[in-house]
Amino acid sequence: DSGVTQTPKHLITATGQRVTLRCSPRSGDLSVYWYQQSLDQGLQFLIQYYNGEERAKGNILERFSAQQFPDLHSELNLSSLELGDSALYFCASRDEKTGSTLHFGNGTRLTVT
Amino acid sequence: TQLLEQSPQFLSIQEGENLTVYCNSSSVFSSLQWYRQEPGEGPVLLVTVVTGGEVKKLKRLTFQFGDARKDSSLHITAAQTGDTGLYLCAGRSPGAGNMLTFGGGTRLMVKP
Repeated sequence: DSGVTQTPKHLITATGQRVTLRCSPRSGDLSVYWYQQSLDQGLQFLIQYYNGEERAKGNILERFSAQQFPDLHSELNLSSLELGDSALYFCASRDEKTGSTLHFGNGTRLTVT
Repeated sequence: TQLLEQSPQFLSIQEGENLTVYCNSSSVFSSLQWYRQEPGEGPVLLVTVVTGGEVKKLKRLTFQFGDARKDSSLHITAAQTGDTGLYLCAGRSPGAGNMLTFGGGTRLMVKP
């Protein structure tokens, strides 16, 4: 158990819809990273937050947005969903002690039909 | 954008065999990490290498960082079925803060 919690585990929705993915980092960690993993592919970095503020942006579509709340949990909002958005979405928190280790949640599997 | 290429993409071997997977880039990384991901779970960190030429061992797994810090390899001796999974390398670029760039992964299957 990494200590990072992601909900829901599975999400099935239709094209054009909007969904929200939720992540709680490990206790004591301040950073949250969001990654997208398509079938049999590596992880594509989407966005990073640190203590409530956006720190880095990767290949995140304009239809996607995220935020980190004062209690440090984060939400990733995906709107106007397309079939190609079907993927695993992972959240990770950075270990404040080591500064380099990412602890990943078990992901949310999004299926757009 | 830093690009990390992993090879092979897929590898299927018998238990007891040795194997090496590679992670290559044309860019220099300040550090490189290897993760293993099992079905239904998130990636788990195996090792971090920082110094060019560095070799780290984790039981039957040997990790090497290239002298120029552009590439890395993972060697598994006497593979076991429990080694089955997706192996991902991830590099941290100088000046890019804590952003990690992941390779496409090597999917390893070890058959009994």
